[in-house]
Amino acid sequence: AQSVTQPDIHITVSEGASLELRCNYSYGATPYLFWYVQSPGQGLQLLLKYFSGDTLVQGIKGFEAEFKRSQSSFNLRKPSVHWSDAAEYFCAVGDEANDYKLSFGAGTTVTVRA
Amino acid sequence: EPEVTQTPSHQVTQMGQEVILRCVPISNHLYFYWYRQILGQKVEFLVSFYNNEISEKSEIFDDQFSVERPDGSNFTLKIRSTKLEDSAMYFCASTLPRGFGKNIQYFGAGTRLSVL
Repeated sequence: AQSVTQPDIHITVSEGASLELRCNYSYGATPYLFWYVQSPGQGLQLLLKYFSGDTLVQGIKGFEAEFKRSQSSFNLRKPSVHWSDAAEYFCAVGDEANDYKLSFGAGTTVTVRA
Repeated sequence: EPEVTQTPSHQVTQMGQEVILRCVPISNHLYFYWYRQILGQKVEFLVSFYNNEISEKSEIFDDQFSVERPDGSNFTLKIRSTKLEDSAMYFCASTLPRGFGKNIQYFGAGTRLSVL
């Protein structure tokens, strides 16, 4: 069965600093990987996705993620964070063999300090 | 941009009562899902629905839960007799798969269920 690990529960970063959120997955076939963001009281918004091809994918709000098959990782990055990036971030893997259901990591809460 | 809508945004109920959570998926989507997120925990898959029937369900989705697509637009999750541990945020999602693995699930804003 697929699984996703987000090793960092909470990250605090200064506004303007870079951000990297780690995600490791376990999946028997080609993974379909996603990052979602959840602002307080809001739903899940898709930041970016990886299906195939170029391993560096660009998303919304200036985020990017790199798929590394050898490390089973799909880390999310942003060069310069804004106060509005404070939120919870979830990595997820899609299971094409099981109705594309998503398995989520536990999430990483990002706090942005001024 | 089309979106998934969920109502109500917050539902408070007494233990043992039945609740129905409602979702309107994106109109041309074919797969529908319910997920839940207990406070402080990860988002968990409950059930997927395709072609008017359940296609997969998790261990969480026991006999107390049911889903229905009563008409062409709504997708509902019913909890027959709520328990305290059903308190969670429930998310509806839908997708229109576009070929091998190329599916993106769009999520609603969620319904927060509080069981007292």
